[in-house]
Amino acid sequence: DQQVKQNSPSLSVQEGRISILNCDYTNSMFDYFLWYKKYPAEGPTFLISISSIKDKNEDGRFTVFLNKSAKHLSLHIVPSQPGDSAVYFCAASLRDDKIIFGKGTRLHILP
Amino acid sequence: NAGVTQTPKFRILKIGQSMTLQCTQDMNHNYMYWYRQDPGMGLKLIYYSVGAGITDKGEVPNGYNVSRSTTEDFPLRLELAAPSQTSVYFCAVRDVARTEAFFGQGTRLTVV
Repeated sequence: DQQVKQNSPSLSVQEGRISILNCDYTNSMFDYFLWYKKYPAEGPTFLISISSIKDKNEDGRFTVFLNKSAKHLSLHIVPSQPGDSAVYFCAASLRDDKIIFGKGTRLHILP
Repeated sequence: NAGVTQTPKFRILKIGQSMTLQCTQDMNHNYMYWYRQDPGMGLKLIYYSVGAGITDKGEVPNGYNVSRSTTEDFPLRLELAAPSQTSVYFCAVRDVARTEAFFGQGTRLTVV
């Protein structure tokens, strides 16, 4: 059973426009949610996180929104840049310190 | 500071062979994790440790063993390699007071 779901395997966005990546989860015990970015042949790098008691967190071009009632979070990237082309993973942490990842969404930024 | 160092970067194993994937950190973080990434399957947690002497199973622990005798090292052992263990393995570390984990560069393992 997949506790963290990213239902879009890929997404293409024009450079300069907004990229919106979505993530759904099933476990209401998650206390933190995180987004990671991954380039080929590299390890994932942390982007931004949000506590389960918040509904929004912003860091520069990146904003994460959390809708607890819908068990849904999204990452907004504005404006999208060519270097944003990568695989984005949604992750969630449990109080027992596990961090569970989704399958990832490949973002293509088009010139 | 090297951060999180994984060795080797690449390895080809024959079915039934054993090997240890090494993970060393110089960040002095208590928490360490092993993940595997299969194509289109995201990252699956194999084992994790919240401190020296303590390890716990993750989502996919079968076929693997770990130990954590020091804060710095968290080796992952494959005793009888199987083709299903062909994957990219990532080690990650996290500070107890923070939410984000930092990853190594990965070990690409092929079992033939």
